[in-house]
Amino acid sequence: AQSVTQLDSHVSVSEGTPVLLRCNYSSSYSPSLFWYVQHPNKGLQLLLKYTSAATLVKGINGFEAEFKKSETSFHLTKPSAHMSDAAEYFCVVRPLAAGNKQTFGGGTRVLVKP
Amino acid sequence: DVKVTQSSRYLVKRTGEKVFLECVQDMDHENMFWYRQDPGLGLRLIYFSYDVKMKEKGDIPEGYSVSREKKERFSLILESASTNQTSMYLCASRAGGRNNEQFFGPGTRLTVL
Repeated sequence: AQSVTQLDSHVSVSEGTPVLLRCNYSSSYSPSLFWYVQHPNKGLQLLLKYTSAATLVKGINGFEAEFKKSETSFHLTKPSAHMSDAAEYFCVVRPLAAGNKQTFGGGTRVLVKP
Repeated sequence: DVKVTQSSRYLVKRTGEKVFLECVQDMDHENMFWYRQDPGLGLRLIYFSYDVKMKEKGDIPEGYSVSREKKERFSLILESASTNQTSMYLCASRAGGRNNEQFFGPGTRLTVL
């Protein structure tokens, strides 16, 4: 079985400051890991994915995430927040042996203050 | 441009009604999924299909059924809607392969009165 914990349900940052969204997972098998973003009234969009290649993954819109196996973490970061980053973010784990099943975290809502 | 479309953005139904939610994808993907999204719970998988006429239960299939008669279309059916099925429903599709991205529709917000 697998699980995903997003440690913060809400994060508030000022524009231009760094963003950190924390994600911890558990999985019986080597996982693929994903971050998706959902803007208000929009569908989910893939930000980035880890698929057992480089542990530091770069995604769209200046986001990146680092896979740390020893800490079972896949935290999402961005050096400088923009107003357009206000959205909900989901961490997703998809284990090797899970077939089509993947597990979503509970989501982190990001507020960006001017 | 890839696309997953859902038949309705908003739907209001009464308790006991039979409800159909339709999803169509234009990417020739083998896999299609239905999720429900509730605050603080993320997305939970209801059912998925890996081929025409094939389906598997997800994590919360109770009270739901699905139909996939054509590759591009995946329907979610609430046989007898209940108030606890009030939620946002998201459809997604994905090509075969473990690391492929899922593409999501815009969602249907269903209210059951």
